[in-house]
Amino acid sequence: GAVVSQHPSWVICKSGTSVKIECRSLDFQATTMFWYRQFPKQSLMLMATSNEGSKATYEQGVEKDKFLINHASLTLSTLTVTSAHPEDSSFYICSASAGTETGELFFGEGSRLTVL
Amino acid sequence: DAKTTQPNSMESNEEEPVHLPCNHSTISGTDYIHWYRQLPSQGPEYVIHGLTSNVNNRMASLAIAEDRKSSTLILHRATLRDAAVYYCILRDWYGNKLVFGAGTILRVKS
Repeated sequence: GAVVSQHPSWVICKSGTSVKIECRSLDFQATTMFWYRQFPKQSLMLMATSNEGSKATYEQGVEKDKFLINHASLTLSTLTVTSAHPEDSSFYICSASAGTETGELFFGEGSRLTVL
Repeated sequence: DAKTTQPNSMESNEEEPVHLPCNHSTISGTDYIHWYRQLPSQGPEYVIHGLTSNVNNRMASLAIAEDRKSSTLILHRATLRDAAVYYCILRDWYGNKLVFGAGTILRVKS
């Protein structure tokens, strides 16, 4: 199946710094990617829809200035957590559609952010 | 997004079939029923999806009620590697995004 890769897999940063997470579709082009956040023992929460060449669409309650999303190419979307604080510590997961017959979304392996 | 209701957790013995139920009484005519699962510390993976008819693939079967207000994911022979959180999600025909509910934690005993 199609592969979506995230980098880094895990990152530890100090409070107040910014962290960038990359999401790449390795063997297909994705005009749309999705970013999710998942806290321990909770479900995935959709944060935003990343559209290639245009502004991301954020879900209600998600601060767009806090979570900057850039989708500059058909294979790469980035999520930057700006001025990170301990409450931003979470598992961040991206996904993309490869346009397969099933319409399935392919998910990255996730990036675990810990803010000290 | 239409809501689904799943049991919080279920337990199964290895090598036995597992039936994971999902209620979606507010499903609309253009909603597909999707199932994903998430193994610990990994991103979700697609399991199966359907609209009206029952569906089979190499991973599982999906049985959809005639009125489409409920569905059941069937794992024919559970293995330890099937222990995961299983999510039943309604996705509009035109939609792209997936909105996850709480899901069902499946535990498989050896």
